[in-house]
Amino acid sequence: SAVISQKPSRDICQRGTSLTIQCQVDSQVTMMFWYRQQPGQSLTLIATANQGSEATYESGFVIDKFPISRPNLTFSTLTVSNMSPEDSSIYLCSVWADRGPDTQYFGPGTRLTVL
Amino acid sequence: AQTVTQSQPEMSVQEAETVTLSCTYDTSESNYYLFWYKQPPSRQMILVIRQEAYKQQNATENRFSVNFQKAAKSFSLKISDSQLGDTAMYFCAFSNNNDMRFGAGTRLTVKP
Repeated sequence: SAVISQKPSRDICQRGTSLTIQCQVDSQVTMMFWYRQQPGQSLTLIATANQGSEATYESGFVIDKFPISRPNLTFSTLTVSNMSPEDSSIYLCSVWADRGPDTQYFGPGTRLTVL
Repeated sequence: AQTVTQSQPEMSVQEAETVTLSCTYDTSESNYYLFWYKQPPSRQMILVIRQEAYKQQNATENRFSVNFQKAAKSFSLKISDSQLGDTAMYFCAFSNNNDMRFGAGTRLTVKP
């Protein structure tokens, strides 16, 4: 199994500012994912972050807006840049455990509100 | 691209009754995994049950079971003896060697 923590758990930010969300895993994992869940909606994949390589972004998400770092096998950050109210969402970090795609764990999420 | 469809935005069931949540998916791959996740108001994603596509036998976890129809690309979740704590959003998800995709979700309410 994998236990995932995220910081902060929630934040209220002003338009135009940036927020960096941290994701810490209690074991080494290869594949890490960042998802966005807008109010009342499903989870949408933002990007896949593998250690030692550039993050791969899904259609509609760009590195300038959502830069991601993956410095080691237990940690990643997602930055939401130049925020607008439309960025108000829950952001979730997720990982594959050692078994690969048949076992995916999720962090508790970061609830972001942009005023 | 893989897509996951949940056609029931909301459902309700009486406590102790049985309810079935529907999910269909579209893929050209033969090897993949299917999941049902539960998301209570705490927003923590909780794995309910998983199914490997290469297994014909339907997965079962206590009160939760699936009806996996690979040819029809259908993956429904049956909850037996529903409990008040089952009230949550339920997401069907598809995973291959690249990433995981989610359906829109079904909001289930268990009524006392």
